[in-house]
Amino acid sequence: DVKVTQSSRYLVKRTGEKVFLECVQDMDHENMFWYRQDPGLGLRLIYFSYDVKMKEKGDIPEGYSVSREKKERFSLILESASTNQTSMYLCASRVDKGGKSNQPQHFGDGTRLSIL
Amino acid sequence: KQEVTQIPAALSVPEGENLVLNCSFTDSAIYNLQWFRQDPGKGLTSLLLIQSSQREQTSGRLNASLDKSSGRSTLYIAASQPGDSATYLCAVLLYGNNRLAFGKGNQVVVIP
Repeated sequence: DVKVTQSSRYLVKRTGEKVFLECVQDMDHENMFWYRQDPGLGLRLIYFSYDVKMKEKGDIPEGYSVSREKKERFSLILESASTNQTSMYLCASRVDKGGKSNQPQHFGDGTRLSIL
Repeated sequence: KQEVTQIPAALSVPEGENLVLNCSFTDSAIYNLQWFRQDPGKGLTSLLLIQSSQREQTSGRLNASLDKSSGRSTLYIAASQPGDSATYLCAVLLYGNNRLAFGKGNQVVVIP
C-alpha cells in the first residue's frame, strides 16, 4: 500500500515564525502536492512538484514556498506565518510516468496547523 | 477552467438505504475521475478511479458510473451503514493537466 506520511498531525506556531511542514511518500511517485482545506472553501492547491527540484504554483501560493530535494520528500514552508494560514494542510502523491497516469492520488493524514 | 460540483452539500439517510451521490463537471475532456472518502479531521482515502474509456467501476458495496458526454458521475453505496458516514469528494483529471480539480464534497450521515 502507498504510504504518504506527514510529519505532524497537530502544530501550533506563532505569528511571524518560519514553519516547515514535511511530507514523505514511499512509492517513488513523481508528483507531489500540497493543499489546504478550509470549511466552505474545499481543497485548494498551494504548490505541486512533478520531479526533484521542480515546482509549480497552484491556486494560492502567496505566503508559501516549497522544496523538493529528494524524490520522496516534499516540504511546505510558511515564510512568515500569519493567522490566516491557520488551516488543515494535506500532502498527496501520484505516480505519473510519461505524463500519463490512471493511478489514484494518495493523501497523508493531514496537519492541523494553528497560528496564534 | 474545470468546475466540479457536488450537490447537495449534506444529506442524511436511514441505515440500509442505498446512497446516491452525484458529481458534475464542466469540461468533458477528462482523463479520469476519482472518488474519495474523508473522515472528520483526516486525509482523503481513494475509493474508486474511473478511466475516461470506462463507464463504471465497482468495489464491494460501491459502484461509480461515468457519463462524459453529460459531464456526470454517480457514486452508489448499497445498503448504507453508520460506518459510511463521512464526506465524499469527487475529482477529475483533465488531459494535458497534472492536477486534480475537486468538488467540495457531500457530507453524509447514515442514521442507525
